[in-house]
Amino acid sequence: AQSVTQLDSQVPVFEEAPVELRCNYSSSVSVYLFWYVQYPNQGLQLLLKYLSGSTLVKGINGFEAEFNKSQTSFHLRKPSVHISDTAEYFCAVRLLQGAQKLVFGQGTRLTINP
Amino acid sequence: EAQVTQNPRYLITVTGKKLTVTCSQNMNHEYMSWYRQDPGLGLRQIYYSMNVEVTDKGDVPEGYKVSRKEKRNFPLILESPSPNQTSLYFCASSLSRANTGELFFGEGSRLTVL
Repeated sequence: AQSVTQLDSQVPVFEEAPVELRCNYSSSVSVYLFWYVQYPNQGLQLLLKYLSGSTLVKGINGFEAEFNKSQTSFHLRKPSVHISDTAEYFCAVRLLQGAQKLVFGQGTRLTINP
Repeated sequence: EAQVTQNPRYLITVTGKKLTVTCSQNMNHEYMSWYRQDPGLGLRQIYYSMNVEVTDKGDVPEGYKVSRKEKRNFPLILESPSPNQTSLYFCASSLSRANTGELFFGEGSRLTVL
């Protein structure tokens, strides 16, 4: 079965600083990879996804992520964060074959300090 | 507007009092799912449905029931709620099994069982 580990439960950064949120996954077969964002008191919304092709994927709000198959990682990055990026971020995987279930990581709470 | 609507958004109840959390989507999606979100555990799938009258257990189905009599609705039923079911619940939907996995989430239902 696949699993996802987000290595940091909380990440505090200063406004306009770069940020990286780390995600590692475990699966014996190929997967699709996703990052979702949850703003306070809201549901989750898709930030970006990797399906195939270029390992660097760009998402909304200036975020990007890089798929590294050898390290089974899918880290999320932004070169300069804004106060409005304060949210919880979830990494998720889904098998290419079989059930459509998304398996989520534990979440990383990103706090932006002025 | 395309959306997933959950009700109620907030509910406090007592042990043993049956309750239903409704979920409705207006996107003609085949796949629907319920997740619960708990601190440090991320989102865990409770039940899912591939289409009308087709439902199956997720990772944490104990204490829950679901039904899918119509394509747009997927209610979550707690027959006899217990305090360990205090959680934030999300309903989600996506187009079909062949879909690459983007889920559309409702805004969540925060349930407290006393």
